[in-house]
Amino acid sequence: DTEVTQTPKHLVMGMTNKKSLKCEQHMGHRAMYWYKQKAKKPPELMFVYSYEKLSINESVPSRFSPECPNSSLLNLHLHALQPEDSALYLCASSQDRPLGRYEQYFGPGTRLTVT
Amino acid sequence: AQTVTQSQPEMSVQEAETVTLSCTYDTSENNYYLFWYKQPPSRQMILVIRQEAYKQQNATENRFSVNFQKAAKSFSLKISDSQLGDTAMYFCAFMKPGLISNFGNEKLTFGTGTRLTIIP
Repeated sequence: DTEVTQTPKHLVMGMTNKKSLKCEQHMGHRAMYWYKQKAKKPPELMFVYSYEKLSINESVPSRFSPECPNSSLLNLHLHALQPEDSALYLCASSQDRPLGRYEQYFGPGTRLTVT
Repeated sequence: AQTVTQSQPEMSVQEAETVTLSCTYDTSENNYYLFWYKQPPSRQMILVIRQEAYKQQNATENRFSVNFQKAAKSFSLKISDSQLGDTAMYFCAFMKPGLISNFGNEKLTFGTGTRLTIIP
């Protein structure tokens, strides 16, 4: 199994809704990442979990709340989002050294639309 | 801070031809890693090729190869015998490795991307 999966593929939510994005990998990777990508732009890092602990928070607004319940699963809880939060949300994972070589493997993304 | 520049926003080439995408970066580090990622219309970011800065030999992966010029801080991607499935956005990315004890704190710095279209 060499893939990162993300659900749902598409999500439409109102500004008062609460929803969650899910990411899963079974490659034994011990770092997992959330990125936000706007159209025709590169991905922007949001959060990193290393060994299930939050290691990087790129000053993301509190309406985005990450969670890493175990080494295979990463969630992103969404609450009171704004229309400008509409974007493609990508999850990625990477393997620790010595097996890892710094590559990040990405999932297919969740296309989020906030109405 | 590191920066990555991709000066070609869009390129197009006939199927079966060879195309080169350019990437330059700015860093004061001596040890680092460089990557090319491909993002087709299906949206998934796919790793194409990686290069360790301490290796002089250019990386190759089937039809994909790089021209790594460390002194010039240049990292171009050559796609040979281009195929329709190569149509995608291509991102160049830089990573400075962290301490072994600090795994998970390395960040990818992406360029702005080059949209490549392969014409039948």
